[in-house]
Amino acid sequence: EIVLTQSPGTLSLSPGERATLSCRASQSVRSDYLNWYQQKPGQAPRLLISGASSRATGIPDRFSGSGSGTDFSLTISRLEPEDFAVYYCQQFDNSIFTFGPGTKVDIK
Amino acid sequence: QVTLRESGPALVKPTQTLTLTCTLSGLSVSDTGMCVTWIRQPPGKALEWLARIDWDDDKYYTTSLKTRLTISKDTSKNQVVLTMTKMDPVDTATYYCARIRLVGPYIDSWGQGTLVTVSS
Repeated sequence: EIVLTQSPGTLSLSPGERATLSCRASQSVRSDYLNWYQQKPGQAPRLLISGASSRATGIPDRFSGSGSGTDFSLTISRLEPEDFAVYYCQQFDNSIFTFGPGTKVDIK
Repeated sequence: QVTLRESGPALVKPTQTLTLTCTLSGLSVSDTGMCVTWIRQPPGKALEWLARIDWDDDKYYTTSLKTRLTISKDTSKNQVVLTMTKMDPVDTATYYCARIRLVGPYIDSWGQGTLVTVSS
């Protein structure tokens, strides 16, 4: 089973700053099968990025994803107040899903 | 409009069996390509994928909980049911049902979640 590790655990930034979140897999992941979700307190997660780099419907272009193999990243070019949340990467392999432990982006 | 709604007990006792129901609206569990999944999240912790059932009744489970989980569907009620045996306080979590889009695959529609507390 593929294990996902996310870093950092917490990222403290100010609005307007750039955020770069990392997701590392214990073995190679098909790029098609690497997704990112955003979760705000008290809410269900929301799909941000599918297939490593494709923004989901309605997701602003300040969110971008990249990577391949075992190393993937999510970048928020300029943080807006509504972007402070927890971000999870998720992969699909051998018919099952796994999530990473999450990165919390909070206000500095 | 696609909606998923979880229902079930808010409180279960240790050793009991939990049964959760996911009711779908705006889509059918029988539609070709339809996949429904259960995910849980202990308070303050990360998401954990649990199980998945497809339109053709194929079923998949997370390795660590496979012996305790059963996922099924009731096409007449347009529902997906998850049972988890031998509940323990560490199973206290919000349980979400969600739709998987196989074109990804990715999860694009989520229920609001239901909090289940395991306590005597």
